[in-house]
Amino acid sequence: NAGVTQTPKFQVLKTGQSMTLQCAQDMNHEYMSWYRQDPGMGLRLIHYSVGAGITDQGEVPNGYNVSRSTTEDFPLRLLSAAPSQTSVYFCASSYGQKGTGELFFGEGSRLTVL
Amino acid sequence: DQQVKQNSPSLSVQEGRISILNCDYTNSMFDYFLWYKKYPAEGPTFLISISSIKDKNEDGRFTVFLNKSAKHLSLHIVPSQPGDSAVYFCAASAKTTDSWGKLQFGAGTQVVVTP
Repeated sequence: NAGVTQTPKFQVLKTGQSMTLQCAQDMNHEYMSWYRQDPGMGLRLIHYSVGAGITDQGEVPNGYNVSRSTTEDFPLRLLSAAPSQTSVYFCASSYGQKGTGELFFGEGSRLTVL
Repeated sequence: DQQVKQNSPSLSVQEGRISILNCDYTNSMFDYFLWYKKYPAEGPTFLISISSIKDKNEDGRFTVFLNKSAKHLSLHIVPSQPGDSAVYFCAASAKTTDSWGKLQFGAGTQVVVTP
């Protein structure tokens, strides 16, 4: 059972480039989300999905797009990378309303934008 | 505006002693609280949680206390072990349909357990 899998683990981009961070879960979780971790700020919610075809914005959505075409996958797209998007990104999933609210996290993707 | 605050960025404790981590929140709608542990280069992992209908929850060496009137919770680790050295995040959620699963996290506390 792989849990939540994120790729790539490391990425360096130049300002203005675009890329997609991949996230997949094999626990049949309804909810999936993306957080970013920055020093002194904890984890902040970027985007959120309660099920296939349904997405919602979190606390810091600007500069990011998401889609949820399947229950398993929840990719995060950076449209035009900026140095302010240098961060560690975590994908998470949970059972949703039927569950306890506990999030299961991937190992993270470290992104550097030059 | 951070709704969940961990005001101590770091804590150093001797092996075998008690570690006490504190967390304050401002949103009175929060009714479910979680603690996560994070090692370097890994994702956060769930440690322990507490519902607002309780004031204490215990799981082995870990106990979480909730004081709703003060909007304060704490995590006690007894006894502390070297493997407990990690960053600990406090998180909160509200069980409304709109907010369930949207955890608000504190900034984290780095715990170092010394021999």
